[in-house]
Amino acid sequence: DAGVIQSPRHEVTEMGQEVTLRCKPISGHNSLFWYRQTMMRGLELLIYFNNNVPIDDSGMPEDRFSAKMPNASFSTLKIQPSEPRDSAVYFCASGASGEGGAKNIQYFGAGTRLSVL
Amino acid sequence: DQQVKQNSPSLSVQEGRISILNCDYTNSMFDYFLWYKKYPAEGPTFLISISSIKDKNEDGRFTVFLNKSAKHLSLHIVPSQPGDSAVYFCAASALGGNNDMRFGAGTRLTVKP
Repeated sequence: DAGVIQSPRHEVTEMGQEVTLRCKPISGHNSLFWYRQTMMRGLELLIYFNNNVPIDDSGMPEDRFSAKMPNASFSTLKIQPSEPRDSAVYFCASGASGEGGAKNIQYFGAGTRLSVL
Repeated sequence: DQQVKQNSPSLSVQEGRISILNCDYTNSMFDYFLWYKKYPAEGPTFLISISSIKDKNEDGRFTVFLNKSAKHLSLHIVPSQPGDSAVYFCAASALGGNNDMRFGAGTRLTVKP
């Protein structure tokens, strides 16, 4: 398996523009997580899905942020409108919840570095 | 609300010596703990874990210790190697939960040759 795939790797946009980040989880994983990494707060959980259903979005900072998972192999994180303070690295991770030793281990993509000017 | 805390943002050690990274948590529901390692421009990768029924788990040069009464865990790397230089994240979750996890802010380890 190629692992968790995120695109784009880098995104530079201007304030007010819409930004869409994409994630393809590892095949067979039924949990998907979006994180944001900043210098001040480290890795923050934004939202996670189990079996394509959003379970907890309490980490989403504002209504400008939204996430979808239309099927088991694809998820998006959208920021509209974007602001300079949204600049960070955004990670997607997937995992397999259920019985077995692999439970609770999350596998991360390489991240998307977002710069909002 | 930082449920998982890594109070040392950075640590520098000499090659061959022991590295000790610390982590504290506040949520007593957490019963599974993990350490992740992150190199620049890459995503975090799983390193080692421990469940609350144990107080120690060892994997090669890496050992994780758990002190449930103190809500504290630590990662020991012996001997440290320059390739261990990375950011280390502590994470915690509840096995009976929905697989979500809370991460600390990370500790940047530098191992000097």
